[in-house]
Amino acid sequence: QVQLVQSGAEVKKPGSSVKVSCKASGGTFSTYAISWVRQAPGQGLEWMGGIIPISGATNYAHKLQGRVTITTDESTSTAYMELSSLTSEDTAVYYCAREASDSGRGYYWFAYWGQGTLVTVSS
Amino acid sequence: DIQMTQSPSSLSASVGDRVTITCRASQSISTFLNWYQQKPGKAPKVLIYAASSLQSGVPSRFSGSGSGTDFTLTISSLQPEDFATYYCQQSYTTPYTFGQGTKLEI
Repeated sequence: QVQLVQSGAEVKKPGSSVKVSCKASGGTFSTYAISWVRQAPGQGLEWMGGIIPISGATNYAHKLQGRVTITTDESTSTAYMELSSLTSEDTAVYYCAREASDSGRGYYWFAYWGQGTLVTVSS
Repeated sequence: DIQMTQSPSSLSASVGDRVTITCRASQSISTFLNWYQQKPGKAPKVLIYAASSLQSGVPSRFSGSGSGTDFTLTISSLQPEDFATYYCQQSYTTPYTFGQGTKLEI
């Protein structure tokens, strides 16, 4: 069974950066895309971007382009999300999510989720 | 970006009720639509993928339908553990987008 375990909560100053990790176990790491989804307090889900580990191909949400970087380390089956130039509006729980697919029909969905990492941006 | 709009935003219901949540896409997304359930303090959990396919392990009281721009999630007989927030998500194209959520309350 696939499990995703994320790094712990962070408190950051405005203008700084944060890097959150997501370690996968079980299943095949390289061939399934991993996305990052965030949720501000009391708000809905926002897709930030994703990566296909085997190719390193990334795709980012337009509003975060230039501030977010998603990477993977295949040797440790770990994905990372780094967000820079933090403001209070980046205070949220950040989730990693691994896709499952019915690739023959082109369907993808987030079948596995990490436990979430709270990032608080405060002066 | 494709906008996903859910209705209602909140819904009060009772155990045993039949409940329907609607999701509308701003353009046609065929059947590239997934539904998630989220409980407070927990990660979302997929219920339905490809508009109508039930994720393994999800109770059969959950069902999904629709194609193009209009989709529904139906819970045939509400159970106490179903009170949660539900989100639709399009996987037709990136950036993937979610609906704003529907909070199902007792």
